Amino acid sequence: AQSVTQLGSHVSVSEGALVLLRCNYSSSVPPYLFWYVQYPNQGLQLLLKYTSAATLVKGINGFEAEFKKSETSFHLTKPSAHMSDAAEYFCAVGPFGNEKLTFGTGTRLTIIP
Amino acid sequence: EAGVAQSPRYKIIEKRQSVAFWCNPISGHATLYWYQQILGQGPKLLIQFQNNGVVDDSQLPKDRFSAERLKGVDSTLKIQPAKLEDSAVYLCASSSVRLAVYNEQFFGPGTRLTVL
Repeated sequence: AQSVTQLGSHVSVSEGALVLLRCNYSSSVPPYLFWYVQYPNQGLQLLLKYTSAATLVKGINGFEAEFKKSETSFHLTKPSAHMSDAAEYFCAVGPFGNEKLTFGTGTRLTIIP
Repeated sequence: EAGVAQSPRYKIIEKRQSVAFWCNPISGHATLYWYQQILGQGPKLLIQFQNNGVVDDSQLPKDRFSAERLKGVDSTLKIQPAKLEDSAVYLCASSSVRLAVYNEQFFGPGTRLTVL
C-alpha cells in the first residue's frame, strides 16, 4: 500500500520568506509523487509531479520539490512567499497510469504581510 | 479547453434524504474519478470509471452510494439515504488514457454537501 504523511497541518510564513511544506511517503514500489494546491472553494490544481525522471522537480508559481529516496521525502519549497500563495496544499502518491491518487491530510499555508 | 464541470456547487439536505451530483469531464477524457473530501482531510477516491466501466469502487459505501457513467461521458453520483457523516466536498476528476505516459488528473470545483 502507498501512503503520504504531511507534517504540519498549518504553516505560517512572512511574505518574502522561504516556504517549506513537508511530505514523507511510504511505498513498496517506486512511487509517483505529486503536489496539488487548493484555493478556497476551488478544485485541486497540480503544482508539480515526480515521475522517476529528474529528482528536482520544478512546478508552477515558482514552487519546486526534491525527491529524496533515502529520506522517503518529497518536500515542497518556494524561495519567496507571495500573498497569493495562501491556500491548502496536498501531497499525493500514485502508481503509474490511470489509477487512484492517495492524498495526505493537507497543509494550510498562511502568508503574513 | 473547458475544464471539468460539476453541479450543483452547494447542496444542503436533511439526513435520510437523497441527493445527486453531476459531473461532465473534459472532452475526450476516458477516465473519470469521484473523490470525497471531508473537512480537514485529503480527498479519498470513491469510484473510478474508464469509459462506462468501473475500474475501482473498493471505497464506495455501496449500501448508500451509487454512481453511473452510462454513455462514457457524464457521470452522476447519488447518496440515498444521506447520513450526517456524508457532509463533505465531492470532487470529480478526469484524465485521458495514453499508453506509457503519466496522465494528469484534472479536477472540477467540487460540490459541497451539508447534511443536517
